[in-house]
Amino acid sequence: GAGVSQSPSNKVTEKGKDVELRCDPISGHTALYWYRQSLGQGLEFLIYFQGNSAPDKSGLPSDRFSAERTGGSVSTLTIQRTQQEDSAVYLCASSLTGTGGNTLTEAFFGQGTRLTVV
Amino acid sequence: GQSLEQPSEVTAVEGAIVQINCTYQTSGFYGLSWYQQHDGGAPTFLSYNALDGLEETGRFSSFLSRSDSYGYLLLQELQMKDSASYFCAVRIYNQGGKLIFGQGTELSVKP
Repeated sequence: GAGVSQSPSNKVTEKGKDVELRCDPISGHTALYWYRQSLGQGLEFLIYFQGNSAPDKSGLPSDRFSAERTGGSVSTLTIQRTQQEDSAVYLCASSLTGTGGNTLTEAFFGQGTRLTVV
Repeated sequence: GQSLEQPSEVTAVEGAIVQINCTYQTSGFYGLSWYQQHDGGAPTFLSYNALDGLEETGRFSSFLSRSDSYGYLLLQELQMKDSASYFCAVRIYNQGGKLIFGQGTELSVKP
């Protein structure tokens, strides 16, 4: 596709339910990132994929959070037993590469999934 | 650990020049980037400094000094549409290219 696509754009769920957020990166981009952004706050790093492997999962807030990437393309972020503090916008970004000192590492963001846990 | 510090908010008037600073504590990184985010929108890439010095892109310029652990974004001829949040970001060497962001600076441009 032309850009990074995330679905759903909005999700309202009941506390305790599981949710799955999807990210379709730009075709050919090997690096994929997930961030969480609460209202008026910065971008909290969650996890980073280089191809299908995740060199860094250190940002996942708890074991209720997991992510996978298949075929070096689509990624899903799963939140189990959602809590109200999970409410935020979840942003996905992709870049041509994750390493190297040049602008090929520019990250392109999707519009995000706004998650509301009630 | 790694951290990037930015002022939380800056206010300026149309036509003015504003500088948004970013100081960092990180062991090694590929370069310093800047992103812009309008309310309700996705962050978009503005500029990148791989080396020390000034990079200019139209009304926006960005600067990096690795020896001072410091960078800044300079916005000239401010316009109302420049009102947004601005984030500095670095990609970490020894963590496979992990991209981390500062907390962002909210710029308000007044008429």
